[in-house]
Amino acid sequence: DSGVTQTPKHLITATGQRVTLRCSPRSGDLSVYWYQQSLDQGLQFLIQYYNGEERAKGNILERFSAQQFPDLHSELNLSSLELGDSALYFCASSVGGGARETQYFGPGTRLLVL
Amino acid sequence: DQQVKQNSPSLSVQEGRISILNCDYTNSMFDYFLWYKKYPAEGPTFLISISSIKDKNEDGRFTVFLNKSAKHLSLHIVPSQPGDSAVYFCAAYDRATNKLIFGTGTLLAVQP
Repeated sequence: DSGVTQTPKHLITATGQRVTLRCSPRSGDLSVYWYQQSLDQGLQFLIQYYNGEERAKGNILERFSAQQFPDLHSELNLSSLELGDSALYFCASSVGGGARETQYFGPGTRLLVL
Repeated sequence: DQQVKQNSPSLSVQEGRISILNCDYTNSMFDYFLWYKKYPAEGPTFLISISSIKDKNEDGRFTVFLNKSAKHLSLHIVPSQPGDSAVYFCAAYDRATNKLIFGTGTLLAVQP
C-alpha cells in the first residue's frame, strides 16, 4: 500500500460526458502528479501540482483540467470524453516539487468510454 | 516521439537465472534514471535509480547500469524469482522541464 488513494477504481461512461477522478496523496506529500496509461503505451505525464500550484504540464488535452485543493487532494476533470480517452489514470505523490524524487503511485482509475 | 524506449515488450526467464531489461533514451538533458515495477491492478512502485554521474548502482539483487555514450541503461536482476514477474518501466528525468519520461514497459515472466 503506497498510501496514495484514488477513487473511483473503475468508471464507465459515454462519449461526450464529463468525469472527475480524485486522488489523495500520502500524508506529508506536497506534490501530486497525474499520468495516463493507454493500451500499449507507457505512462504519459499529464500535469503536476505542488502545494496547490501548477508546477509542470505535460501532454494534457485542453478538454482535461486538474486542481489541487488546500487539503492537498487533487482532482482530474475529463470533459467531452472520446473513445480514445479510455485508459488507466494514475495519480502519484512526492514530498517535494522535484519530479526526480521517488513518486508513490496510487492503484489507478480505469476509465472506459463507450 | 518516444524519448525513452523499451524495445522488448516481454521477456521470459527461468527462476534463478539473470534477467536483463534494457532501455534507450534520446535526450542528453536526462540526468537521472529510475526503474519502476508494476504488478497487475496496482500502481507502479519505485525500484532503483541512478544518477548520470555514475555508471552502476546496486541494491540487493537489482543492479542498474548506465552507458551515457550509448544513451542506454539496463536493469539486472540476479537471481530472478517468480515474485519478480511484473511490468518494469524505465523512466528518465528531464531537468530542463522537471518531468519524468516513462518508457512503454517490459513484461517480465520468471518461470519456476
